[in-house]
Amino acid sequence: QVQLQESGPGLVKPSETLSLTCAVSGYSLSSGYYGGWIRQPPGKGLEWIGSIYYSGTTYNNPSLKSRITISVDTSKNQFSLRVTSVTAADTALYYCAIGDYFYYMDVWGKGTTVTVSS
Amino acid sequence: DIQMTQSPSTLSASVGDRVTITCRASQSISNWLAWYQLKPGKAPNLLIYRASDLKSGVPSRFSGSGSGTEFTLSINSLQPDDFASYYCQQYDSYSLTFGQGTKVELK
Repeated sequence: QVQLQESGPGLVKPSETLSLTCAVSGYSLSSGYYGGWIRQPPGKGLEWIGSIYYSGTTYNNPSLKSRITISVDTSKNQFSLRVTSVTAADTALYYCAIGDYFYYMDVWGKGTTVTVSS
Repeated sequence: DIQMTQSPSTLSASVGDRVTITCRASQSISNWLAWYQLKPGKAPNLLIYRASDLKSGVPSRFSGSGSGTEFTLSINSLQPDDFASYYCQQYDSYSLTFGQGTKVELK
């Protein structure tokens, strides 16, 4: 059974960098996949942040593009998200997800809450 | 960018009801649409992909339809486990956009 687990600091200071990792179990990332990051601000809907193909090709939300870096480490079977210059607007529940195709995400993690505050 | 307009934002229903949620795209997306179910504290669950394909293991009371710009998610005979939030998501040119979500609550 494929399972995903997000991890990272729950609190980040404004202007600093948010870093999250998605550990994948039950499936080898090097077998081929798309990994994605999605977030949900408090009381709001879902926002796609970006996705990565197992080869390393990335696709980012244009509204966040300049602040987002998504990477993969197949040796550790995980992929990661970095968001630079965070503000309170980046406070959200962050999910990672994977799928065989870009256009939908088959398996999700339970999410991790990140708060941006001094 | 393609915008997704989902309605209603909240839906009050009883166990056994048939409910329908609508998602409209700002331009044609063919059948590149997925539906997800979200519950607090749990991993989101893919229900439907390519507008009408039911993910393996998802109960058959869930169904999706539509193409182009208008899509629906229907739940036949609503069960207690179905009270949750539902989101549509479109794909276009390696970009994804979600609808605003629909919360299905107990009447």
